[in-house]
Amino acid sequence: SQELEQSPQSLIVQEGKNLTINCTSSKTLYGLYWYKQKYGEGLIFLMMLQKGGEEKSHEKITAKLDEKKQQSSLHITASQPSHAGIYLCGADLYQFYFGTGTSLTVIP
Amino acid sequence: GAVVSQHPSWVICKSGTSVKIECRSLDFQATTMFWYRQFPKQSLMLMATSNEGSKATYEQGVEKDKFLINHASLTLSTLTVTSAHPEDSSFYICSARGGEYIPSPLHFGNGTRLTVT
Repeated sequence: SQELEQSPQSLIVQEGKNLTINCTSSKTLYGLYWYKQKYGEGLIFLMMLQKGGEEKSHEKITAKLDEKKQQSSLHITASQPSHAGIYLCGADLYQFYFGTGTSLTVIP
Repeated sequence: GAVVSQHPSWVICKSGTSVKIECRSLDFQATTMFWYRQFPKQSLMLMATSNEGSKATYEQGVEKDKFLINHASLTLSTLTVTSAHPEDSSFYICSARGGEYIPSPLHFGNGTRLTVT
């Protein structure tokens, strides 16, 4: 069963627009990871968040972990076609589970 | 950085045959390895967790006799899809944990695309 719920399930945005993807867990997380993927290809590690309230940024992508360490958001500023793909959050609950995934399409 | 090598990257087999997928940690010892399965437009579903030298722990709904997992050494885990059928066609990814504590770095293979004809 999925321990992590992501929303939205899919997202279509115009190039240049900002967007946010959410990841929610019913359990307190020891570590929350964000990955990008295209189906049939390997995972691209984006960021890892560990501390409540932590925020990290890389290029145009910012990820935050809430104080309770049960919810994370991934924000993309000024989206580009290269941002398109499947975004997955993942959590270390001894077993490592992935969220339900968000498919992002960026229209040029 | 740490590397996990997964082979083959793609395989086509006939229905009824078995297929073995290897996952190797190249420059670290992996006490725990995970196997995932992914269908198009879906997320990665954890199939099983394997610890070196012990039996794998399978997630609910995953057939143990169909998906045989062996973790015989600290650098190698294998997934064998036995008596494969077209519905087993999927993308399989392994990952390896480099430490004993949580969270500790998790490294992923590049996946194997299995097509059963």
